[in-house]
Amino acid sequence: GEDVEQSLFLSVREGDSSVINCTYTDSSSTYLYWYKQEPGAGLQLLTYIFSNMDMKQDQRLTVLLNKKDKHLSLRIADTQTGDSAIYFCAESESGGSYIPTFGRGTSLIVHP
Amino acid sequence: NAGVTQTPKFQVLKTGQSMTLQCAQDMNHEYMSWYRQDPGMGLRLIHYSVGAGITDQGEVPNGYNVSRSTTEDFPLRLLSAAPSQTSVYFCASSYGQNRHYGYTFGSGTRLTVV
Repeated sequence: GEDVEQSLFLSVREGDSSVINCTYTDSSSTYLYWYKQEPGAGLQLLTYIFSNMDMKQDQRLTVLLNKKDKHLSLRIADTQTGDSAIYFCAESESGGSYIPTFGRGTSLIVHP
Repeated sequence: NAGVTQTPKFQVLKTGQSMTLQCAQDMNHEYMSWYRQDPGMGLRLIHYSVGAGITDQGEVPNGYNVSRSTTEDFPLRLLSAAPSQTSVYFCASSYGQNRHYGYTFGSGTRLTVV
């Protein structure tokens, strides 16, 4: 079955860039997502990328996709304390219900 | 406000009790699903529905039942609560034709079984 792997923790200084990495095993993964979860809240869709793309940029967020290595990354420029949260990588396949499979989440800690 | 509404936000149950976690969305989304979130485990799919009257099992369905009598509502029933069901439960929904654009999540129900 599908498997999505992420490192569990990342600590960065305020103002630096953060890079959160994810690997997936399913070669038929067509859609890849990044969700953000703040303490005590549900998941919020941050951005997504389709497998026919290599990069997507949205303000401070840059998503890079390496299909050959099945590697997805999320870069947050000028990281702020408000970016402290758990970030989940997820993937889904085309042709079905598109129900995403999630990684275990990366806790991003931003310190002054 | 449009979105996914989950009730209750917190619940404590005794082992063996039953209860229903409510989930409602007002976005006319066909696809709805239930996840549980446990520390270090990420989100695991319990049950999902692709439309009214249609449900299917996810990764961890044992001990849970669902039904989908309307497009708006997708309740999750715990038949006989066990301590292993202590978790945070999330409901999520997506619009059929745009479901590949991702899901909208509720704010969760934190359940403790003692």
